[in-house]
Amino acid sequence: NAGVMQNPRHLVRRRGQEARLRCSPMKGHSHVYWYRQLPEEGLKFMVYLQKENIIDESGMPKERFSAEFPKEGPSILRIQQVVRGDSAAYFCASSPTGYYNEQFFGPGTRLTVL
Amino acid sequence: SQQGEEDPQALSIQEGENATMNCSYKTSINNLQWYRQNSGRGLVHLILIRSNEREKHSGRLRVTLDTSKKSSSLLITASRAADTASYFCATDADSGGGADGLTFGKGTHLIIQP
Repeated sequence: NAGVMQNPRHLVRRRGQEARLRCSPMKGHSHVYWYRQLPEEGLKFMVYLQKENIIDESGMPKERFSAEFPKEGPSILRIQQVVRGDSAAYFCASSPTGYYNEQFFGPGTRLTVL
Repeated sequence: SQQGEEDPQALSIQEGENATMNCSYKTSINNLQWYRQNSGRGLVHLILIRSNEREKHSGRLRVTLDTSKKSSSLLITASRAADTASYFCATDADSGGGADGLTFGKGTHLIIQP
């Protein structure tokens, strides 16, 4: 039973480009969460999605960031017109049910903006 | 202080000794989880304790929860070099049902000296 998969593991972008981060949840999990971790910091919640629905995006920056979890395929976190401050590790987690959730994390995508 | 704040920030002990880390939080919670993160890697789920539980064990791990003091502790007994990592507590706020993103502290960096 494969764990949460994220790709790419490392992503380098120049300022102004777009970054697309993918997350495939564990088999049987329909709840996906995205977090961002700055160096020497804990994780900050960004967005919570179920299939085809955004449930909570209270941690998502209002501009340039978007997320989706389509009926088929992985969840995508999209960052448009990246800036140096977007450089961070982005982690995806999944859980089988939403309530009393035990979240399982992927290995993360490390985004570097030059 | 922010929700899910760990102390100490760093802890260095000798192999074989016990390590205790603490976590404090502010709001009512459904559950509290502890995670381990090795340098540059993803998070590994260690243990989840629900708000109506006071103590939980898993192998060499012992977690306590005191909801009246809004605090939790993680005890690792008979520490090993492989336990060297950052440890985070994460809370799932009691927002009236349904899932929420977890709120993480900044972590305790544990170093086990051989």
